[in-house]
Amino acid sequence: DTEVTQTPKHLVMGMTNKKSLKCEQHMGHRAMYWYKQKAKKPPELMFVYSYEKLSINESVPSRFSPECPNSSLLNLHLHALQPEDSALYLCASSHESRGYEQYFGPGTRLTVT
Amino acid sequence: EDQVTQSPEALRLQEGESSSLNCSYTVSGLRGLFWYRQDPGKGPEFLFTLYSAGEEKEKERLKATLTKKESFLHITAPKPEDSATYLCAVSRANNLFFGTGTRLTVIP
Repeated sequence: DTEVTQTPKHLVMGMTNKKSLKCEQHMGHRAMYWYKQKAKKPPELMFVYSYEKLSINESVPSRFSPECPNSSLLNLHLHALQPEDSALYLCASSHESRGYEQYFGPGTRLTVT
Repeated sequence: EDQVTQSPEALRLQEGESSSLNCSYTVSGLRGLFWYRQDPGKGPEFLFTLYSAGEEKEKERLKATLTKKESFLHITAPKPEDSATYLCAVSRANNLFFGTGTRLTVIP
């Protein structure tokens, strides 16, 4: 059983909608990550939070807005998305000094219509 | 520039037919090489970490090995439930950089 949970599992939204993806981890980690994964492609890093502070932003469009309310919660706010943003969005967490051993949630399948 | 290349892109095996997946990397200052398994529509599941050339790790039918240029994931007598995409990744700036994966299908 994963200790990183994500909600919702599936989300369909129009290009004018505002929605949020949520992630929670129960592993005591202080680093959390958002990835985007298109079909048959590897995960691509979007954002990294360490100690609730944004430490890496891989040139992601501003229509994606991350938020880390506390060390166990991570949100991704979505606004004015495009159909090409449809993908599997993965959350992961790690010990803050071992960012390469990441534990992933099950993902949210997002479809933008 | 850091690169991670996995081969083959796809592999079909008969149940019980052993094989190996390859991950070649070019990374300055490797801090670790990682293998993940990913089932369709799910998040990657951590399998192994390898830190130095010559290191080996085993888990059930899987065995991962590491040299200075590449890593192999050996699958012994695979079963249909081993069907998945296997991703390797290297550490880069305390984060992961993934290869494109090998899609493994094990036929009963």
